[in-house]
Amino acid sequence: NAGVMQNPRHLVRRRGQEARLRCSPMKGHSHVYWYRQLPEEGLKFMVYLQKENIIDESGMPKERFSAEFPKEGPSILRIQQVVRGDSAAYFCASSPRRDRDRDIQYFGAGTRLSVL
Amino acid sequence: SQKIEQNSEALNIQEGKTATLTCNYTNYSPAYLQWYRQDPGRGPVFLLLIRENEKEKRKERLKVTFDTTLKQSLFHITASQPADSATYLCALGPGSGNTPLVFGKGTRLSVIA
Repeated sequence: NAGVMQNPRHLVRRRGQEARLRCSPMKGHSHVYWYRQLPEEGLKFMVYLQKENIIDESGMPKERFSAEFPKEGPSILRIQQVVRGDSAAYFCASSPRRDRDRDIQYFGAGTRLSVL
Repeated sequence: SQKIEQNSEALNIQEGKTATLTCNYTNYSPAYLQWYRQDPGRGPVFLLLIRENEKEKRKERLKVTFDTTLKQSLFHITASQPADSATYLCALGPGSGNTPLVFGKGTRLSVIA
């Protein structure tokens, strides 16, 4: 049973370009969360999605950032017109729907975005 | 304002000793609290979950306590080993069932042989 898969592992972009981060949840998981981790900072929640629905985007910057989780395919976090301050590690986590385990989140290895 | 604090950024202990990490929170009423381990360049890995109506949970050499009056959780690693060296993250679950987690900054544990 493969874990949460994120790609790419490392992404380098120049200021003004777009960054697309992909996340495939664990098999059987229908809930996806995106977190951002800055150096020496804790993980900060960005957005929570289920298939074709954004449930909570309270942690997402209002501009330039968007997320989706289509019916088919991975979840995508998109950052348009990247700036140096977007440089961080972005982690995706998934959780199952079953009552017993739904509070546990399983994390991917992250995508490290560097903006030049 | 809401805050979650882990007692220290770094903790060094001798192999074989018990490591104790602290997580304090204010202005939260979490339904549960979780501990994760994170190694450099990797994602967090779930270790233990303790709910608001539980006082203590154990798993092998790990023990977690949860005091909702003190608003504190203690995380213990007994008979620590160099392989336990990592950053340990405390996370609150504000509500039950598929809710985003609120993380502390973590404590970097180094177990010295």
